[in-house]
Amino acid sequence: KAGVTQTPRYLIKTRGQQVTLSCSPISGHRSVSWYQQTPGQGLQFLFEYFSETQRNKGNFPGRFSGRQFSNSRSEMNVSTLELGDSALYLCASSFQDSEKKAFFGQGTRLTVV
Amino acid sequence: GQQLNQSPQSMFIQEGEDVSMNCTSSSIFNTWLWYKQEPGEGPVLLIALYKAGELTSNGRLTAQFGITRKDSFLNISASIPSDVGIYFCAAPPDQGAQKLVFGQGTRLTINP
Repeated sequence: KAGVTQTPRYLIKTRGQQVTLSCSPISGHRSVSWYQQTPGQGLQFLFEYFSETQRNKGNFPGRFSGRQFSNSRSEMNVSTLELGDSALYLCASSFQDSEKKAFFGQGTRLTVV
Repeated sequence: GQQLNQSPQSMFIQEGEDVSMNCTSSSIFNTWLWYKQEPGEGPVLLIALYKAGELTSNGRLTAQFGITRKDSFLNISASIPSDVGIYFCAAPPDQGAQKLVFGQGTRLTINP
């Protein structure tokens, strides 16, 4: 079974631009979560989607948004990029809510200059 | 919000040594997860714990779910070079949601 796939692996963007990151979950997994990882703040939850609906949202500004498609693939978008948005963005997929196991992709390294 | 305090922050050991790290919180959790992250990669799930007092092994790794449900421990026996990485504990703050909070991580360095 293929793991969680994130594209692209690396991105360099300029302040003020917007960016879209993509995530394909493990086949059969309907829940997709997004996390931001930085050296200062560690791993922080952004949001979670299940059956095309956002179920949970972390404490991030509205510039961070996401969506999920009917095939469970998910995208996250960051608008009006700031230097502080530079981070590793990780996607995780889960099969059963009761188990709480989240399986992560390799991440997208975003650098804002 | 709920925080997981992981210690130590870093460890420098000799190959073959055993390693112990722990994660504590002021909040009670019903699930504890342990992940390992290597440079340039996403976290990889090592062990999942679901019951207070539970002891679970995965090869040379053993993790325990603390009796108080406010802590968890991870041990690595007879460390080898490929054990190098950052180990994270994680727990779901809300049983009804697929969301995890993470500890700050323990960076493990091994001298061959």
